[in-house]
Amino acid sequence: QITLKESGPTLVKPTQTLTLTCSFSGFSLTTGGVGVGWVRQPPGKALEWLGLIYWNDNKRYSPSLKSRLTITKDTSKQLVVLTMTTVDPVDTGTYFCIQTHSSSSFPNWGRGTLVTVSS
Amino acid sequence: QSVMTQPPSASGTPGQRVTISCSGSDFNIGRNTVNWYQQLPGTAPKLVIYADSLRPSGVPDRFSGSKSGASASLAISGLQSEDEAEYYCAAWDDSLNDPFYVFGTGTKVIVL
Repeated sequence: QITLKESGPTLVKPTQTLTLTCSFSGFSLTTGGVGVGWVRQPPGKALEWLGLIYWNDNKRYSPSLKSRLTITKDTSKQLVVLTMTTVDPVDTGTYFCIQTHSSSSFPNWGRGTLVTVSS
Repeated sequence: QSVMTQPPSASGTPGQRVTISCSGSDFNIGRNTVNWYQQLPGTAPKLVIYADSLRPSGVPDRFSGSKSGASASLAISGLQSEDEAEYYCAAWDDSLNDPFYVFGTGTKVIVL
């Protein structure tokens, strides 16, 4: 059974750096074709894909956020870390961890973690 | 950045058929497969259609997907109250040097 769980701060001040961790189980990020990434959703708004890291360390980022995002992995600890620099109140929302395996879709999602950016 | 457009809402009575459209571009729907996600209030999205028209295990066959050119559709037949949710189309986009994934604007399905 694949599980993903997001963790990190619930409140971040504007201009600070946000760091979120996705802890996963039920698969290995060393298996060919596997990718773990992030999606966010501002309150009452649509889903927004942020980025993805693959088993081979290839990464894909949202073009509009690429300059502010970094996704890294620690395969031994089974976790993926999202770093977002210079946050703003518009970055407030629920951040979901997602997983794929040799697919163009994301069948596995974490429950999400709500992050509020406010002074 | 590329946008995939959906109608804000769609509605139907129990038992009816509801169809949701998703309009993209040659760079996303036009050349890549489409996925559909269902999001019930307060929960994480759930994949209901992948690769244009395939259903993951456990998804009722009331859900069906289709694609033509740069547009796609999700149909829910025999609408049930538990189908009331937000639905998002999604696809990879190849318009830039590095592919990226894009979600549609979302459609709220209301069961009258």
